Amino acid sequence: DGGITQSPKYLFRKEGQNVTLSCEQNLNHDAMYWYRQDPGQGLRLIYYSQIVNDFQKGDIAEGYSVSREKKESFPLTVTSAQKNPTAFYLCASSIVRPGGYGYTFGSGTRLTVV
Amino acid sequence: GDSVTQMEGPVTLSEEAFLTINCTYTATGYPSLFWYVQYPGEGLQLLLKATKADDKGSNKGFEATYRKETTSFHLEKGSVQVSDSAVYFCALSDQGGNQFYFGTGTSLTVIP
Repeated sequence: DGGITQSPKYLFRKEGQNVTLSCEQNLNHDAMYWYRQDPGQGLRLIYYSQIVNDFQKGDIAEGYSVSREKKESFPLTVTSAQKNPTAFYLCASSIVRPGGYGYTFGSGTRLTVV
Repeated sequence: GDSVTQMEGPVTLSEEAFLTINCTYTATGYPSLFWYVQYPGEGLQLLLKATKADDKGSNKGFEATYRKETTSFHLEKGSVQVSDSAVYFCALSDQGGNQFYFGTGTSLTVIP
């Protein structure tokens, strides 16, 4: 079955470290997205990409970086510049203009700073 | 710009109670409307959707009707179960399909 796979499910980061969250999809979607979710909060868009080798900043891109070298993959790096990285991170994908199709989400990665 | 507003939670109901979670939207033209559900520790799953006015989306006993006249897409279920405990997000895709907007989510807890 097609879907989105996020890994790992849980991730621990020490102060000053960069960590990379994986997101892979086999839905043949052109667009991919990263969201951050804090406890009791809604979704905030970090980065999105509508085509390979191109991506755009969302509302809270500072302290994060992404790459889109393959259509299937959109990894997110949480850099040491992100001062409060503890959160739940969600990856999503869609056709370029999702319209009535909506987004498909992965199961998330919970990142904790230790 | 386009936006979605949904009722704040948390909402606590007894099993078999009737559920309504309000969602209203602001948009030009005819957006598509969605409800997503997020179970604890999981990602969001599409629950139901409606793509034009007066459409009713339904799934797993949940329903929502796209009301253009009141710009609303309220989620309802006649008899909730403990397993319905989750966070529910209302969402909108604009008429051109270029932008997607999420509400802030409503947490539902159903107690036996």
